[in-house]
Amino acid sequence: SQTIHQWPATLVQPVGSPLSLECTVEGTSNPNLYWYRQAAGRGLQLLFYSVGIGQISSEVPQNLSASRPQDRQFILSSKKLLLSDSGFYLCAWRQHGYTFGSGTRLTVV
Amino acid sequence: GENVEQHPSTLSVQEGDSAVIKCTYSDSASNYFPWYKQELGKRPQLIIDIRSNVGEKKDQRIAVTLNKTAKHFSLHITETQPEDSAVYFCAFHTGGFKTIFGAGTRLFVKA
Repeated sequence: SQTIHQWPATLVQPVGSPLSLECTVEGTSNPNLYWYRQAAGRGLQLLFYSVGIGQISSEVPQNLSASRPQDRQFILSSKKLLLSDSGFYLCAWRQHGYTFGSGTRLTVV
Repeated sequence: GENVEQHPSTLSVQEGDSAVIKCTYSDSASNYFPWYKQELGKRPQLIIDIRSNVGEKKDQRIAVTLNKTAKHFSLHITETQPEDSAVYFCAFHTGGFKTIFGAGTRLFVKA
């Protein structure tokens, strides 16, 4: 069966520090992978999606970047975090509907 | 552009009553309409979906209806229970790789 792993679960980072969130999928090949962000009490904002290794589509101009170094690995990064980067970050794999990772709650202080 | 309007934003019902959440979408090429439930602090989870060749789908206490002509689809929860309390998101898949989500409905089921 397909599973999606995302870590860390919680992160507190100072402004200006770098960020790296990792997501891996098991049990499938060539998955469509997504990064979403959710502000407190709000909806889901698509940040990036990838349909294959090295293929990244960015949806919103921002302080973040994404990479897909391997078929089942999707990484979200930032060189310098801003306060506005705080939120709940969700990696997802889409076959029909989405299967979301457990999420990373990022607080930038 | 592509968008989906979801109503209401908040819904409060008594345990045992029914709850209905409605969405209206813009992309007539859409053919897949999922619904997600997100409990507080947790990830969204797919609870039911419907494809454009079907008008209604039911799974125990939840059902989804689709009216492609009017571009409406709705989630129906019958015999609501306190554990149904959550935020519910409708969505539709665009012709490409993206999914458009509604803004969410916060459902409170009062015991």
